[in-house]
Amino acid sequence: TQLLEQSPQFLSIQEGENLTVYCNSSSVFSSLQWYRQEPGEGPVLLVTVVTGGEVKKLKRLTFQFGDARKDSSLHITAAQTGDTGLYLCAGVLDSNYQLIWGAGTKLIIKP
Amino acid sequence: SQTIHQWPATLVQPVGSPLSLECTVEGTSNPNLYWYRQAAGRGLQLLFYSVGIGQISSEVPQNLSASRPQDRQFILSSKKLLLSDSGFYLCAWSVVLGGFSEAFFGQGTRLTVV
Repeated sequence: TQLLEQSPQFLSIQEGENLTVYCNSSSVFSSLQWYRQEPGEGPVLLVTVVTGGEVKKLKRLTFQFGDARKDSSLHITAAQTGDTGLYLCAGVLDSNYQLIWGAGTKLIIKP
Repeated sequence: SQTIHQWPATLVQPVGSPLSLECTVEGTSNPNLYWYRQAAGRGLQLLFYSVGIGQISSEVPQNLSASRPQDRQFILSSKKLLLSDSGFYLCAWSVVLGGFSEAFFGQGTRLTVV
């Protein structure tokens, strides 16, 4: 059973467009992280959100944690080719502190 | 600062041969340690995690085993590799502080079983 549903699985858009990636669950998380992974390397942490309703901005990236701490979104404004990569969300379950991963969104930004 | 070392970076092994991948962490004590496997362009599948020396939890029944002989050392092994063991293996560590946990990854090992 996939506890953290990430969508879309794959996204290919033109440079300059906006996009949103979602992570949804029926479980409550004490915190949720977003990672970006380049081919052949390990994922690298982008941001951690810990408070329901929290919004964090990292340049053109906006991360939001749902009010009930069950879902999160990543919005990229004016995507650039350098944003290409695999984006992963991961949540720490409130019940047992286990780290649960989404399946990832493969993002390709075309010039 | 904390660092994590994972080796080798790439490995080509014949079917039926043994496997040993090693991961060490520096700069932290009593970390949670993880072994993940990742299919191309996809998410992470948790294989094993450890909360302390000699404590190993297996998430997926498979041809692999893990050991933690020292606090900051985590080893992934197999006695006889299968073709299906091919993949990208990642070691990671984290420290849980009041429900707040971030994972830090090694560079990964690309394993090809031929």
